[in-house]
Amino acid sequence: GAGVSQSPSNKVTEKGKDVELRCDPISGHTALYWYRQSLGQGLEFLIYFQGNSAPDKSGLPSDRFSAERTGGSVSTLTIQRTQQEDSAVYLCASSLDGFTDTQYFGPGTRLTVL
Amino acid sequence: AQSVTQLDSQVPVFEEAPVELRCNYSSSVSVYLFWYVQYPNQGLQLLLKYLSGSTLVKGINGFEAEFNKSQTSFHLRKPSVHISDTAEYFCAVIPYSSASKIIFGSGTRLSIRP
Repeated sequence: GAGVSQSPSNKVTEKGKDVELRCDPISGHTALYWYRQSLGQGLEFLIYFQGNSAPDKSGLPSDRFSAERTGGSVSTLTIQRTQQEDSAVYLCASSLDGFTDTQYFGPGTRLTVL
Repeated sequence: AQSVTQLDSQVPVFEEAPVELRCNYSSSVSVYLFWYVQYPNQGLQLLLKYLSGSTLVKGINGFEAEFNKSQTSFHLRKPSVHISDTAEYFCAVIPYSSASKIIFGSGTRLSIRP
């Protein structure tokens, strides 16, 4: 079956602009996660959606970052007023239920802020 | 605060040699433990996980890991590596007390020499 898909695969933007990154999870997966992978660093957890519950936003690095998940499926991560330090690969993952279930990762969106 | 340390950022190994990738964590509570692998130009995928039960966990592609509570370690091993094992490996933990937060290590790049 189809895996997790993300779009765009690459995004180049100018400092100060807003960007939207999209994630389509595996059908039937109730949990969805966003991570950031910066060059030479591990994965940084950003936000977690579980079903219709309010998301766990504890990992968002600043109030410029926000995410929503519509209809329990597609999710959008928005970064407002982008900064150069936002440049990274943004990964989305989904799992059947919660964190202890196997997470299936998408290919990522590489964001470059000039 | 919990943290995950992968002691080696890079591990070069000859083909068919054994390998151990080290992972230590710091946590005042019990944790769930994971190893993820990222092959070149591919998304992350789960290698294995420890939730409970036997401390020796077997995963895909001949990898295994052993949970050592007293040493707070979860080292990954393979008795004989192949060129196809070239990838980046990430250790991760989820504290029991916060099953909505996952902490990743910074990764170990495994390179296999023929």
